[in-house]
Amino acid sequence: DVKVTQSSRYLVKRTGEKVFLECVQDMDHENMFWYRQDPGLGLRLIYFSYDVKMKEKGDIPEGYSVSREKKERFSLILESASTNQTSMYLCASRVESEQFFGPGTRLTVL
Amino acid sequence: AQKVTQAQTEISVVEKEDVTLDCVYETRDTTYYLFWYKQPPSGELVFLIRRNSFDEQNEISGRYSWNFQKSTSSFNFTITASQVVDSAVYFCALYGGGSEKLVFGKGTKLTVNP
Repeated sequence: DVKVTQSSRYLVKRTGEKVFLECVQDMDHENMFWYRQDPGLGLRLIYFSYDVKMKEKGDIPEGYSVSREKKERFSLILESASTNQTSMYLCASRVESEQFFGPGTRLTVL
Repeated sequence: AQKVTQAQTEISVVEKEDVTLDCVYETRDTTYYLFWYKQPPSGELVFLIRRNSFDEQNEISGRYSWNFQKSTSSFNFTITASQVVDSAVYFCALYGGGSEKLVFGKGTKLTVNP
């Protein structure tokens, strides 16, 4: 079974802090994704990566950056967290047409 | 551009009722895939089904069934004899061969009351 894990299920940070959300997949997938989910807005793509050290902006990249130093790990970085980044963050990896999602991280920025 | 529309924001039913969740999509690709995911209150997205554009056969899995109609660009999901455990947010999604992105609808929140 494909497994996608995220470093935290719940996270509380303060405004201005630098925040790292980690995602690891164990199936050697090349494609990895970060989404945020907000009520009434569905899942919106923040960034994706199709290979190590490669990244592409998604639909809402502002305020975020990513890092992909190893194939299995894709990190989402909030350089200076703000309250409007309070959300559910979902990581996924993909092979062909099928995406596998992690359990999500509920981030609260105070 | 690809787009998925789930017009029903919230649906509330009583246990044992049948309920249909609508999904309408837009794409110019001839090869594409459609998905349904369930997201219970725990937050994890649960994969339910994948359909490719060349397979219009309807599918049934227990109490769940899916109706794919290319003529109307729809991929509707029906739950028969709903149960309280079906309460969740359901997402329809589209993946096109020419795009790296999985495009989601905004979701339908289903509440099944006892």
